[in-house]
Amino acid sequence: KQEVTQIPAALSVPEGENLVLNCSFTDSAIYNLQWFRQDPGKGLTSLLLIQSSQREQTSGRLNASLDKSSGRSTLYIAASQPGDSATYLCAVSPSSNTGKLIFGQGTTLQVKP
Amino acid sequence: DAGVTQSPTHLIKTRGQQVTLRCSPKSGHDTVSWYQQALGQGPQFIFQYYEEEERQRGNFPDRFSGHQFPNYSSELNVNALLLGDSALYLCASSFGFRGYEQYFGPGTRLTVT
Repeated sequence: KQEVTQIPAALSVPEGENLVLNCSFTDSAIYNLQWFRQDPGKGLTSLLLIQSSQREQTSGRLNASLDKSSGRSTLYIAASQPGDSATYLCAVSPSSNTGKLIFGQGTTLQVKP
Repeated sequence: DAGVTQSPTHLIKTRGQQVTLRCSPKSGHDTVSWYQQALGQGPQFIFQYYEEEERQRGNFPDRFSGHQFPNYSSELNVNALLLGDSALYLCASSFGFRGYEQYFGPGTRLTVT
């Protein structure tokens, strides 16, 4: 059974710092992995999607990496800003024959001015 | 281009009642998935609809049922509400039922008293 874990559950950093959020999954047979952002009480905004054949994806100040063999993904945020404060969720799609996503519990990030 | 829309935004129901939540997918998408997100947790997959049929289901009781209409919009019905059904209900859409990128709506906050 696929399980997704995100550590730490919460993180507080000063503005301008570079930071890394971690995501691990127990079964390396995934189709893809998505990183989402969620503001309090709101829906999910897709940040990056990495296919299982890819090693990383970049969008602006965000860079996501994927290491299937070790069951790990990281989301790197460069030069953090207070507007980056939110909960970050990673989710894996178990196979190409399903749209089901399995989520971690998220990391709540606070960037202090 | 309208994204995923959900209605209503908030809903308060009494234990034992029934509720219907609605979702319109992003333009061009034909697949709708529903997720339940309890406070402080990651979203949990309820089921997915494609071609007006339930294609896949998560570990939720039969009290949770759904429907997809010819225009691809979808409804989630929950019968005999329990206090534990209080959560944010998220709808996600994609093109095709396979593991393609999913786009989420703002969610419906259901409170059961």
